[in-house]
Amino acid sequence: EAGVAQSPRYKIIEKRQSVAFWCNPISGHATLYWYQQILGQGPKLLIQFQNNGVVDDSQLPKDRFSAERLKGVDSTLKIQPAKLEDSAVYLCASSSRRTGGGEETQYFGPGTRLLVL
Amino acid sequence: GNSVTQMEGPVTLSEEAFLTINCTYTATGYPSLFWYVQYPGEGLQLLLKATKADDKGSNKGFEATYRKETTSFHLEKGSVQVSDSAVYFCALRGGSNYKLTFGKGTLLTVNP
Repeated sequence: EAGVAQSPRYKIIEKRQSVAFWCNPISGHATLYWYQQILGQGPKLLIQFQNNGVVDDSQLPKDRFSAERLKGVDSTLKIQPAKLEDSAVYLCASSSRRTGGGEETQYFGPGTRLLVL
Repeated sequence: GNSVTQMEGPVTLSEEAFLTINCTYTATGYPSLFWYVQYPGEGLQLLLKATKADDKGSNKGFEATYRKETTSFHLEKGSVQVSDSAVYFCALRGGSNYKLTFGKGTLLTVNP
């Protein structure tokens, strides 16, 4: 089965510009996650969707970051305006509950590396 | 809140050496524990996991045992290969929304 797809792989912008990232999860996965991974740190959850509804966006800087998953499949993450400290790798992951509930595995995409100058 | 502390790197070993990467955690309740690996230029991949105390996760020669009494989940491998060179992340999942909390990662370099 195809993995989680993300684009673009790399993006360089100047501060105060806007940027958008796209994610296509594994087919059939209802849960989608966006993580921010700053150099030298572990990934930090920005937002979690269950189908097209938001489950957790407590660490999303809502003054500049937004995300949507309108049809419950693909998702976009936008930053407007970007700051220098937004330079990071943005990872998308998806997961599916097992039949009857219980544990699930998150599958990660290759990430989008953003550099803000 | 939940947190994960893992051994800071970088770790440099010769091929066939023994590997240990320490990981301890703080969490309420009974979290699940994971090790993820990130090879150069690639996304995170699940390496192994354990869902309850005393469980041992294993994969590709790597092992880790869920120790509730010491709140630890140390990663071990008896004989590393050059192809094991990567960044290793310890993570836990607790709470109702399946949120993962990651450590900072440990860079492993294995020399021939």
